[in-house]
Amino acid sequence: SAVISQKPSRDICQRGTSLTIQCQVDSQVTMMFWYRQQPGQSLTLIATANQGSEATYESGFVIDKFPISRPNLTFSTLTVSNMSPEDSSIYLCSVAVWKETQYFGPGTRLLVL
Amino acid sequence: EDQVTQSPEALRLQEGESSSLNCSYTVSGLRGLFWYRQDPGKGPEFLFTLYSAGEEKEKERLKATLTKKESFLHITAPKPEDSATYLCAVQVSGTGNQFYFGTGTSLTVIP
Repeated sequence: SAVISQKPSRDICQRGTSLTIQCQVDSQVTMMFWYRQQPGQSLTLIATANQGSEATYESGFVIDKFPISRPNLTFSTLTVSNMSPEDSSIYLCSVAVWKETQYFGPGTRLLVL
Repeated sequence: EDQVTQSPEALRLQEGESSSLNCSYTVSGLRGLFWYRQDPGKGPEFLFTLYSAGEEKEKERLKATLTKKESFLHITAPKPEDSATYLCAVQVSGTGNQFYFGTGTSLTVIP
């Protein structure tokens, strides 16, 4: 498995501002992903963070709203830009390690006022 | 369209009362089926991976099984600490590592 940490663990932000979430893994991994989990709902994939190239976004998510960086094989960031209350959610980082199983970080709880 | 459906949405059990959670899937080609446990305010914790029909995996009081259309998570003699939301996810052939998650079953075990 992999040990994954996320910062911040939670935040309260004003609408119109941006927040950058960090994801750190304790070992080099090929695949890193960002998910959103809205209140009472399951996980929705935002994008795959690619090392050395632009992230691959899922339908309904765009780079201008959720820019992602992945400078190396152990670290990635997700920025939630120009936030609105609808962005209030838990944001989760995951990595794929052995036999494609994904392991998740503890999540970042975001509340936008 | 690929779909994952979990039932029931919520389940309340007395301590020691065994039961099963269901995950039905409709996908073009199953690459793997995954079970996770999620506690409130935390990220999902990996439990099992199943790859082919007939496969079974066990861990303590939990046992996961897989058929061509669904998976079951059997909970034997549950304890209050088994209370959590259990999530099922499928990985579809040809989609890289993309997971499709069900909406989960919220399990409460009453002492």
